[in-house]
Amino acid sequence: DAKTTQPPSMDCAEGRAANLPCNHSTISGNEYVYWYRQIHSQGPQYIIHGLKNNETNEMASLIITEDRKSSTLILPHATLRDTAVYYCIVRVDNAGNMLTFGGGTRLMVKP
Amino acid sequence: NAGVMQNPRHLVRRRGQEARLRCSPMKGHSHVYWYRQLPEEGLKFMVYLQKENIIDESGMPKERFSAEFPKEGPSILRIQQVVRGDSAAYFCASSPLGQGVYNEQFFGPGTRLTVL
Repeated sequence: DAKTTQPPSMDCAEGRAANLPCNHSTISGNEYVYWYRQIHSQGPQYIIHGLKNNETNEMASLIITEDRKSSTLILPHATLRDTAVYYCIVRVDNAGNMLTFGGGTRLMVKP
Repeated sequence: NAGVMQNPRHLVRRRGQEARLRCSPMKGHSHVYWYRQLPEEGLKFMVYLQKENIIDESGMPKERFSAEFPKEGPSILRIQQVVRGDSAAYFCASSPLGQGVYNEQFFGPGTRLTVL
């Protein structure tokens, strides 16, 4: 699986959009970009994933650059409950493929 | 639909004892994954199982650790002769059957093992 690079920490004001970047310059054509988050001491929670098109769901939006070498997770209106470590993971979308977690970005949403 | 269940949530063992961690996957899921998270670190993959089969144990320590997922009942992660370095949070995840199907992993709340 391709390696990802994320900033170790970010702050965001409550109610504002949180934009979390991820670099994955060695991504392969069949690798998807996944985002998970881990709220303190809890199990990781799936957020969103995509291959090359931008994706949106009830939690977030995922913007993937045209060359697929980077992506941005957008939380449109961050709340205090969005404070967590956010992990960007690239992997082949195949049953049985484990998730490789890097250091992630620790997002602190402040009032 | 109940999520992934793990028990116990907290487990305290003395050095040399055995630890058994249980994971019940979501209904209809036949793939189970175990991950370990040491304090202040990210999750590390340990083992991937399907019913009655170990598919990938590349992340398992060579000694003292074993895992099973029997035909009936939960998946078990077993740690024999625990040492202080085994103190960590152990997370189980499950995913639905099918290669090529979107394969989101659903995580349980974890078991926090403390070795005294």
